[in-house]
Amino acid sequence: LAKTTQPISMDSYEGQEVNITCSHNNIATNDYITWYQQFPSQGPRFIIQGYKTKVTNEVASLFIPADRKSSTLSLPRVSLSDTAVYYCLVGAQQLSGGGADGLTFGKGTHLIIQP
Amino acid sequence: NAGVTQTPKFQVLKTGQSMTLQCAQDMNHEYMSWYRQDPGMGLRLIHYSVGAGITDQGEVPNGYNVSRSTTEDFPLRLLSAAPSQTSVYFCASSYSLAGGREQYFGPGTRLTVT
Repeated sequence: LAKTTQPISMDSYEGQEVNITCSHNNIATNDYITWYQQFPSQGPRFIIQGYKTKVTNEVASLFIPADRKSSTLSLPRVSLSDTAVYYCLVGAQQLSGGGADGLTFGKGTHLIIQP
Repeated sequence: NAGVTQTPKFQVLKTGQSMTLQCAQDMNHEYMSWYRQDPGMGLRLIHYSVGAGITDQGEVPNGYNVSRSTTEDFPLRLLSAAPSQTSVYFCASSYSLAGGREQYFGPGTRLTVT
């Protein structure tokens, strides 16, 4: 299993761009990187997934360097409603018998946005 | 689509009681899983299933049983509840290979064992 390391918490202000970095030194060749967002009293919600270089959707961007040992979730112009816990997961795209890769959530990064 | 549904939303049990947490999805997902989340902690995987009739253990399986007789349902059974099982339980499902690893989570069941 590729282990991930994220900051426990981060603070920022409304309107700023926020970058959350995840380290995954033992990432395997067929592993994907997936980010989730969780609000209090709710289940996590998928944000973005990528394999290499850059992926962008309507919510965020994901930057992955060539060595893939880390990734950065970028949230543009955050608002108060972006205050949440963000989880980085690394694992193979396809589950196979006996494999739980990518299904293990760490403690995540608690992002706090202030006015 | 209702997505992933869980019942009940809240439950209080006495030590030693048994119960089943229900989880259902209407998206025809192959993969389903159960997590528990304790205060201030991330999610920990209890059990997962890669299809009907196939289940496997996750990180913290002790004290829990699962079965997967249909694609839609993945119940979690607590055989003899203990205070250490007080937690919020989330069920999730995901597509097969074509959809990658995007997991859809239910709203959770908050369980208290006294």
